[in-house]
Amino acid sequence: AQSVTQPDIHITVSEGASLELRCNYSYGATPYLFWYVQSPGQGLQLLLKYFSGDTLVQGIKGFEAEFKRSQSSFNLRKPSVHWSDAAEYFCAVGPMNTGFQKLVFGTGTRLLVSP
Amino acid sequence: ETGVTQSPTHLIKTRGQQVTLRCSSQSGHNTVSWYQQALGQGPQFIFQYYREEENGRGNFPPRFSGLQFPNYSSELNVNALELDDSALYLCASSPTSVNADTQYFGPGTRLTVL
Repeated sequence: AQSVTQPDIHITVSEGASLELRCNYSYGATPYLFWYVQSPGQGLQLLLKYFSGDTLVQGIKGFEAEFKRSQSSFNLRKPSVHWSDAAEYFCAVGPMNTGFQKLVFGTGTRLLVSP
Repeated sequence: ETGVTQSPTHLIKTRGQQVTLRCSSQSGHNTVSWYQQALGQGPQFIFQYYREEENGRGNFPPRFSGLQFPNYSSELNVNALELDDSALYLCASSPTSVNADTQYFGPGTRLTVL
């Protein structure tokens, strides 16, 4: 069965500092990979997704993620964090060829941004 | 293009009752999925509807059921509510039913079961 591990429950980063959120997945093949962000009172917003090809994926709001097959990882990065980036971040995997959409989410990482 | 909307925002029910949650998908999206997000957890897939038929289900009992209508609206029904059903319920719509396509999430309905 697919699973996603986000080992960091909380991360605090100073505004302007760089950010890396970790994500490891377990799946028999390369799945579709996603990062979503959830702000209070908001739904999940897609930051970026990886299906195939270039392993470095660019997303919205200056985020990027790198797929590393050998490590089963899909870590999210941002070079300079803004206070508005404080939110909950979820990594998710979606299996291929099931005929329907089903995302398996990690437990999330809450990002706190200090001034 | 309007986003995905859900109603109500919050709901309080007692154990054993039944509840209906509503979702309005983006126009043209013929796929809707429902997720349950317990406090401190990531969302868990309940089921998906494609062109008004359930075409995929997660590990949820039959008392969780749904409907999808031609006007891009859908419902999640939960019978015989249990305390553990307290959660944020998210719906997500997509233009297609394949996993490669982006799902657009609504803001959710917070259900509290007392």
